Amino acid sequence: GESVGLHLPTLSVQEGDNSIINCAYSNSASDYFIWYKQESGKGPQFIIDIRSNMDKRQGQRVTVLLNKTVKHLSLQIAATQPGDSAVYFCATGGFKTIFGAGTRLFVKA
Amino acid sequence: GAVVSQHPSRVICKSGTSVKIECRSLDFQATTMFWYRQFPKQSLMLMATSNEGSKATYEQGVEKDKFLINHASLTLSTLTVTSAHPEDSSFYICSAGRGAYEQYFGPGTRLTVT
Repeated sequence: GESVGLHLPTLSVQEGDNSIINCAYSNSASDYFIWYKQESGKGPQFIIDIRSNMDKRQGQRVTVLLNKTVKHLSLQIAATQPGDSAVYFCATGGFKTIFGAGTRLFVKA
Repeated sequence: GAVVSQHPSRVICKSGTSVKIECRSLDFQATTMFWYRQFPKQSLMLMATSNEGSKATYEQGVEKDKFLINHASLTLSTLTVTSAHPEDSSFYICSAGRGAYEQYFGPGTRLTVT
């Protein structure tokens, strides 16, 4: 079956530094990928998405990189802020959204 | 932007009772809604796909007779946890689909079964 996994369960960064969160997926047929942010006790919040015909997409302070050859996805957050502290999930989408395990990001002031 | 609400946000019920959770798309119509369950420090696990006007499609391992889903209108899906037990205590999250690649998530419902 399809699975989406993450390399690191927790990530601690200094405020102002860049953060990189990694994700591996298993289904080579996946054609749509999404990153979500989830704060404690809340639903997931859309951050950025990318389709399989792209290898990079930028948003405001965030960049998603897709490497289809090794089935790897990453989320880069520039100038990480305390408000970025949350759990980040990668997911494969389309009709259904399947979530990866999640990485908790701690931002140290 | 698209808004999805859930009610209640928190519920405590006694073991053996049933509890209903509502998911509403407030500003768009959703022919498909999804229900997820999230245990502490774990990811969201898809439970079922709720289809307006037809039966829900359940993921493997999810008991359809325990988790009753009704999608009576294009803006409302309900999840009823029947004969709840403490192991059903979890965070239940719905999402509503608008188009093939757009999904909007609700704020979640914290269920505690005592």
